[in-house]
Amino acid sequence: GAVVSQHPSWVICKSGTSVKIECRSLDFQATTMFWYRQFPKQSLMLMATSNEGSKATYEQGVEKDKFLINHASLTLSTLTVTSAHPEDSSFYICSASWTSGHNEQFFGPGTRLTVL
Amino acid sequence: AQSVTQLDSQVPVFEEAPVELRCNYSSSVSVYLFWYVQYPNQGLQLLLKYLSGSTLVKGINGFEAEFNKSQTSFHLRKPSVHISDTAEYFCAVGDNYGQNFVFGPGTRLSVLP
Repeated sequence: GAVVSQHPSWVICKSGTSVKIECRSLDFQATTMFWYRQFPKQSLMLMATSNEGSKATYEQGVEKDKFLINHASLTLSTLTVTSAHPEDSSFYICSASWTSGHNEQFFGPGTRLTVL
Repeated sequence: AQSVTQLDSQVPVFEEAPVELRCNYSSSVSVYLFWYVQYPNQGLQLLLKYLSGSTLVKGINGFEAEFNKSQTSFHLRKPSVHISDTAEYFCAVGDNYGQNFVFGPGTRLSVLP
């Protein structure tokens, strides 16, 4: 149980284009989803937290107009990287949790974004 | 605010030897503690977690960790490692409000034949 999927697993795009990454909780309802990015040989850095039906909360330094997050249902959140540039190339990982008295997060397999 | 320190960025160890990966945290509230493993180009897999109760927590793949509140530590141990344990290991701390999940910088465990 508690499986989270991401699609696509990897994507290559041209500079200036937009890329959408999907995060789905397959067997549970995720009241909260989190988006992280991970640069090579570094730890995960939280980008934003989204609760179903409300606007995402972005971490300091993360441009909300560049990284659009939509959490329209209890099983799906999307991250759109708008006007992507090479410096946006990274490993993007989502996680999901439900309200159950503790805050364990279940992580997706990640999406490797390469912007040329 | 919470923070996590993993003092060892890299730990090389020979196969079948024991290993300890260190994790220290700071927090002003009650915490939940986690260890995750990440294999190359993959997401995170939960090894074990401490939420409450016994301070010695056993996880998957023969790993265990001990929560020490006085030393604010949650070190990960395995008595005998295998080549397949080569990966990046992350310690993480969360609070009981469902937010503020913070990862440590990670420790790369390299198991040598």
